[in-house]
Amino acid sequence: NAGVMQNPRHLVRRRGQEARLRCSPMKGHSHVYWYRQLPEEGLKFMVYLQKENIIDESGMPKERFSAEFPKEGPSILRIQQVVRGDSAAYFCASSPPEAGGSGANVLTFGAGSRLTVL
Amino acid sequence: GQNIDQPTEMTATEGAIVQINCTYQTSGFNGLFWYQQHAGEAPTFLSYNVLDGLEEKGRFSSFLSRSKGYSYLLLKELQMKDSASYLCAVMDSNYQLIWGAGTKLIIKP
Repeated sequence: NAGVMQNPRHLVRRRGQEARLRCSPMKGHSHVYWYRQLPEEGLKFMVYLQKENIIDESGMPKERFSAEFPKEGPSILRIQQVVRGDSAAYFCASSPPEAGGSGANVLTFGAGSRLTVL
Repeated sequence: GQNIDQPTEMTATEGAIVQINCTYQTSGFNGLFWYQQHAGEAPTFLSYNVLDGLEEKGRFSSFLSRSKGYSYLLLKELQMKDSASYLCAVMDSNYQLIWGAGTKLIIKP
């Protein structure tokens, strides 16, 4: 049982380039969450997805950021025209389908993707 | 607005006991979580409280008082490997997790 897999673990981009971060949830999990964490700060919710559906994107910046979770393949967080302020750790978490909306929604986190924008 | 408060940093001695507090103000309450995060790693689940009282799990215990909007994580017989950040998170009425900034715990020999 491989757990939540994120790649790349480290990504360096220059300002104006695009960053794509991938997340494969745990086997049997159909709910995916993306969080951003700045150094010395807590996790900030970005988006919650199920297969082919965005359930809640209230934490996503309105521009340059998008997320998808296709029927086949990993969830992808895409950041276009990156700026220095996008430098952060981006964590993906997943949960099983029966936990969605339940109070006991224990998230399993991936190891994170650390984006550095030069 | 929604708010989770916990101390930024705490220091304790190996073998001792430490209590990390968390206070919250959220729109609704569907449970409180504690996660442990070692530097550069993923947060890992420690505990979940939805009813008032103390939940004990080995060296770690978590307490909740819903009327006071307060929780604490108690760590006993501290070990060097317990040096990490401890994140408090509350699930609000929309089942969204609201996270505190984390408490960095430093263990000294």
